Amino acid sequence: ETGVTQSPTHLIKTRGQQVTLRCSSQSGHNTVSWYQQALGQGPQFIFQYYREEENGRGNFPPRFSGLQFPNYSSELNVNALELDDSALYLCASSLVRGGAVNNEQFFGPGTRLTVL
Amino acid sequence: AQSVTQPDIHITVSEGASLELRCNYSYGATPYLFWYVQSPGQGLQLLLKYFSGDTLVQGIKGFEAEFKRSQSSFNLRKPSVHWSDAAEYFCAVVANQAGTALIFGKGTTLSVSS
Repeated sequence: ETGVTQSPTHLIKTRGQQVTLRCSSQSGHNTVSWYQQALGQGPQFIFQYYREEENGRGNFPPRFSGLQFPNYSSELNVNALELDDSALYLCASSLVRGGAVNNEQFFGPGTRLTVL
Repeated sequence: AQSVTQPDIHITVSEGASLELRCNYSYGATPYLFWYVQSPGQGLQLLLKYFSGDTLVQGIKGFEAEFKRSQSSFNLRKPSVHWSDAAEYFCAVVANQAGTALIFGKGTTLSVSS
């Protein structure tokens, strides 16, 4: 069983640029969630994708967008990067059955984004 | 709004000593609660979870947690800490009935001294 993988591991961008982060979900999972973890903070929920549609969103501006593909992998896109976007971005996958809420989320190792 | 508070930013425990990490939550309905651990350069690993039933929950690596509704707490415990337990620990609650989001506390860093 392959776990959640993310690419790239590290990334350096400058203000105003755009970035795409990628996530491959664990085998058999159909849902992907993205979290932002700033230094010294707990992860903050960005959004979740289920069946290729956004299925919940946290308090993040529209320049944070995502995609989920038919193979359940996902992308997080951030436009017009700001210095405060520097953080560890975590992807988590889970298997949602029939609307059950007690689904465990399995996290990837994250992508460290630095915005200069 | 739902929230999770971890009052201790950093705790140091001697190897072999017992450990308790505190977590308080704010949530109107029955909470779904989790404890995750994060080692440097790693993602989050689930230690244990509480959904309902027995208020004492057993997890991996010898950890347990007790849900106390009257105190809105879900403290993590381990009877004997090993040096490999040094890591960041996060308490989290499911934010809504749809179960789409985890709300995390700010974390507690555990150091283990020899």
